[in-house]
Order: sequence, then C-alpha cells, then structure tokens
Amino acid sequence: GAVVSQHPSRVICKSGTSVKIECRSLDFQATTMFWYRQFPKQSLMLMATSNEGSKATYEQGVEKDKFLINHASLTLSTLTVTSAHPEDSSFYICSVSGRDTEAFFGQGTRLTVV
Amino acid sequence: GENVEQHPSTLSVQEGDSAVIKCTYSDSASNYFPWYKQELGKRPQLIIDIRSNVGEKKDQRIAVTLNKTAKHFSLHITETQPEDSAVYFCGGGGFKTIFGAGTRLFVKA
Repeated sequence: GAVVSQHPSRVICKSGTSVKIECRSLDFQATTMFWYRQFPKQSLMLMATSNEGSKATYEQGVEKDKFLINHASLTLSTLTVTSAHPEDSSFYICSVSGRDTEAFFGQGTRLTVV
Repeated sequence: GENVEQHPSTLSVQEGDSAVIKCTYSDSASNYFPWYKQELGKRPQLIIDIRSNVGEKKDQRIAVTLNKTAKHFSLHITETQPEDSAVYFCGGGGFKTIFGAGTRLFVKA
C-alpha cells in the first residue's frame, strides 16, 4: 500500500499565528489527497479534498480562507491553518486513496494553539 | 452526499466474547465499505473491507457482512482479545471516505 508521511507530528503555536502541515505520498503519485480533523473521542471529519494543480474542494462548513490547502505536486499537499485560535486545536490527518479503495493515512498532526 | 451512521458508540465485552458493530449508509450508489481500527494517538488502519458484489467476507477472527437492500453493514469480531481494544470506524462514500462516528471497544481481561 501507499506510504504517507505527515509532518510535523506535534506543533504548539500562539494564537493568531499560522501553522503549515505537510502531507507527502512517498511511493504513490497522488492526484488527490484528503484532509481530516479529529477532535478528542470523535470521528474523522473530512475537511477538504486536495487536488493536484487546482483548487481544493472544501466540505460544507469548512472555511477555505482559514484552512489553506496547496497541492503543487503529485507527492505533496500542505494544509495551513491561518490565524489559529484555541478552538482550532485538534488532530489533523491526511490520507491518500483511489476510488473505492483503501485509504492510507499519514501519522497525523496534533495542533495545540495557546 | 454520503452519510454514514454507526452504532454503538461504546461497546464493552469480556475477553473471548464476540463484538458486533453496525453501520448504515445513505448513498445507494456506494460500492466500497471499509472498516478501520484506530489506537490512541495513531493513524487509522484498515482491518477489513467489502465490496457491493459480496455479502460477507471473513479474515480469521474478523468478518464483515453487507446488506445492500437495507443499506447496512456490520463488523463482527469473534474471540475478542484485550489487544482488540481500540476505536473502530466504518467508512463509505466511494471517492472520498466518509466515516461513521466510531465505536470505542473495550475488551476486559
């Protein structure tokens, strides 16, 4: 299966600053990647679909100006949380999958905004 | 879009007993139904999946059944062990995976 690497695994930032999270597909050319957010003891909520070379597709209720997604190559997608606030503290995780196939996840990023 | 509902939210069983987790989905066009296991602080890992042309699939102690007419599928774990304790998510949606709310399984030794 695909190997997906996410960085950083943990980050603490001050309120009002921006944080960038990287998701790399190490052995698979991914035209599409997915970003999820998971609050403690809750499910994985799909935030957006990252499309290589074009704009990301955001799920309803997700602010595209706050969660900037860039997918400039077939192996890298980035999620930038802009002007972070404590309520943005969460576990962010990316995945790679084809249609009707297994999803391979990065190790996740635990973001804490103080 | 797809909506996936999962029950129960918490399940506690004695070691050696069976555990069953159920999911329903809304999109009748869905063809792929995975189950993932997530341990605390780790990434989800696929444990079993089933496609719409199959009614049941088994892999050792784990099995999944699918009822397309009723639009529901279930995960069955037999002879549970303490290491089965984790959160389990069902998925649906085809191109983008939509997850159920999760079931926290506790296996008591």
